[in-house]
Amino acid sequence: GAVVSQHPSRVICKSGTSVKIECRSLDFQATTMFWYRQFPKQSLMLMATSNEGSKATYEQGVEKDKFLINHASLTLSTLTVTSAHPEDSSFYICSRSDRGGETQYFGPGTRLLVL
Amino acid sequence: EDQVTQSPEALRLQEGESSSLNCSYTVSGLRGLFWYRQDPGKGPEFLFTLYSAGEEKEKERLKATLTKKESFLHITAPKPEDSATYLCAVQGGNTGKLIFGQGTTLQVKP
Repeated sequence: GAVVSQHPSRVICKSGTSVKIECRSLDFQATTMFWYRQFPKQSLMLMATSNEGSKATYEQGVEKDKFLINHASLTLSTLTVTSAHPEDSSFYICSRSDRGGETQYFGPGTRLLVL
Repeated sequence: EDQVTQSPEALRLQEGESSSLNCSYTVSGLRGLFWYRQDPGKGPEFLFTLYSAGEEKEKERLKATLTKKESFLHITAPKPEDSATYLCAVQGGNTGKLIFGQGTTLQVKP
């Protein structure tokens, strides 16, 4: 069964508003979770690594003030897209690694459409 | 720089027609090579992890192999339900991050 869940699965918002996406590890406590973005016909690109109890680590070119990540508990990480614009429309997917820190298991994804 | 290239981009097979998908990679200190299946509008589903050259893993009609430069995903007698995008990713020792290829979109016709 699924080991990572995401909510919501789809969201449509107006330009300038903020959207929060939740990612939950269902089967064990994850100190590290990952956020990816996938544009149509493209592969997954890592946006940031979410660390429980500390600041997230962002990949080069990802604006940390725009994509706010909070990992407040060992089973929940949230991604908030602030002041969303149409170019932020994408498929956002989170993951957590196994206990060895290698294999990653992905959530079902959240489709964001900014009008 | 760690890099992953998958070929072909798209593959159409008749049901029962076996074939292979290729994943070529360059990475500093390979920690693992991963295969995932992704259906439209869904997150990637884990298939295999390979750690060292010569390693092979099988699951139903799928078999993954690994050399020092590439990995193959062999599909034996595919069925229409095997239609999906297959993603290859590597994890290097330097960064520990997953680097994904562009994927191969497989369509199996009945």
